[in-house]
Amino acid sequence: TQLLEQSPQFLSIQEGENLTVYCNSSSVFSSLQWYRQEPGEGPVLLVTVVTGGEVKKLKRLTFQFGDARKDSSLHITAAQPGDTGLYLCAGASSNDYKLSFGAGTTVTVRA
Amino acid sequence: GAVVSQHPSWVICKSGTSVKIECRSLDFQATTMFWYRQFPKQSLMLMATSNEGSKATYEQGVEKDKFLINHASLTLSTLTVTSAHPEDSSFYICSARPWTGGRTDTQYFGPGTRLTVL
Repeated sequence: TQLLEQSPQFLSIQEGENLTVYCNSSSVFSSLQWYRQEPGEGPVLLVTVVTGGEVKKLKRLTFQFGDARKDSSLHITAAQPGDTGLYLCAGASSNDYKLSFGAGTTVTVRA
Repeated sequence: GAVVSQHPSWVICKSGTSVKIECRSLDFQATTMFWYRQFPKQSLMLMATSNEGSKATYEQGVEKDKFLINHASLTLSTLTVTSAHPEDSSFYICSARPWTGGRTDTQYFGPGTRLTVL
């Protein structure tokens, strides 16, 4: 099992502030995915990063994959209440397509 | 695109009965489907990997005789919880990996099924 450590576990910020979520591992992943999950619903894919050093932007969200493909970060600029949710990172194994999930970061953006 | 549905969205059953949960990829063919379980305030735990036309592969600690998985087509996988007990109550989520002819690690998730066993 490839372990992914996600931090912080909880984040509560005011609307308009920035936040960063980290995902770290000692293992190399073929790709890493970020999902957002609302209570009582399934995770929704935000992005897949594949190449070491890759940076992807999705409106106010910026995703980075580490050069060694062992870690990733999610940065949200000017957070809005609609960004509230559980953010999950998941690394894909290179040989069996299984995803190893981080423990998740619960983000609360206060209006 | 890449929509995965699950049915039912929630189910309540009596202890000892069996419950079947369906997972469908609506607009793509899925080489592989995965079944996860999620407890409140926790992350997803992989239960099994399901490939079309072959037996499912179960993760360590998951009873294959209790959680029967059938992957009958490239768009449908089912999970049957047999002789359900209250400790089986959980949120069950499936995901599907699209068949693209090449390598893709991306999984698309269904909306989940809330199972409550009385």
